[in-house]
Amino acid sequence: QSVLTQPPSASGTPGQRVTISCSGSSSNIGNNYGYWYQQLPGTAPKLLVYRNNQRPSGVPDRFSGSKSGTSASLAISGLRSEDEADYYCAAWDDSLRGWVFGGGTKLTVL
Amino acid sequence: EVQLVESGGGLVQPGGSLRLSCAASGFTFSSYSMNWVRQAPGKGLEWVSYISSSGSTIFYADSVKGRFTISRDNAKNSLYLQMNSLRDEDTAVYYCAREPETPTQRGAFDFWGQGTMVTVSS
Repeated sequence: QSVLTQPPSASGTPGQRVTISCSGSSSNIGNNYGYWYQQLPGTAPKLLVYRNNQRPSGVPDRFSGSKSGTSASLAISGLRSEDEADYYCAAWDDSLRGWVFGGGTKLTVL
Repeated sequence: EVQLVESGGGLVQPGGSLRLSCAASGFTFSSYSMNWVRQAPGKGLEWVSYISSSGSTIFYADSVKGRFTISRDNAKNSLYLQMNSLRDEDTAVYYCAREPETPTQRGAFDFWGQGTMVTVSS
């Protein structure tokens, strides 16, 4: 049981916009930044969004992050087949004094 | 080119020990915090441990506290994870991940190694 809650799956067709949610609490997302990672099949995770809504250089602006209260969200617009991957949210947890991850969302591009 | 290369994984019996290494290159290792993150087969990511750039600040997940020890050698550009009293549930791919210490990027695991597999089984 992960500290951060994500839907196990999401799907969309090419060109669509999909949103992945991440629900936490006041000790993690509610009081700290949210982060998003993309893990393509068989590869290491890659940073997608940091500090709620910042994108590292090289990450397309089709990917955007947001935060509201104790939840974070990742939106992917103009969905492409290469976006098919597992997506994880993360945040620092003040109570646990450590990083916590969501259980991951498997995105399927139909 | 930034590179993080993990090594030291393998098959070990329950109760045994293993030492993982992460060799860094292509950046100023001593300026970055480092983390270990693991992923059990078919499962999600689990943070394991954090060490600051100087090594003065260390954190562990409750699941490994008292059994695992993180350390680093900035002169050798290397990160380590000493794993003792290993359990079946420690079976996972172990990744090292770089974390900037700049004010605007602290907290972001901005580069990951390819991982090393640890299998705990009798």
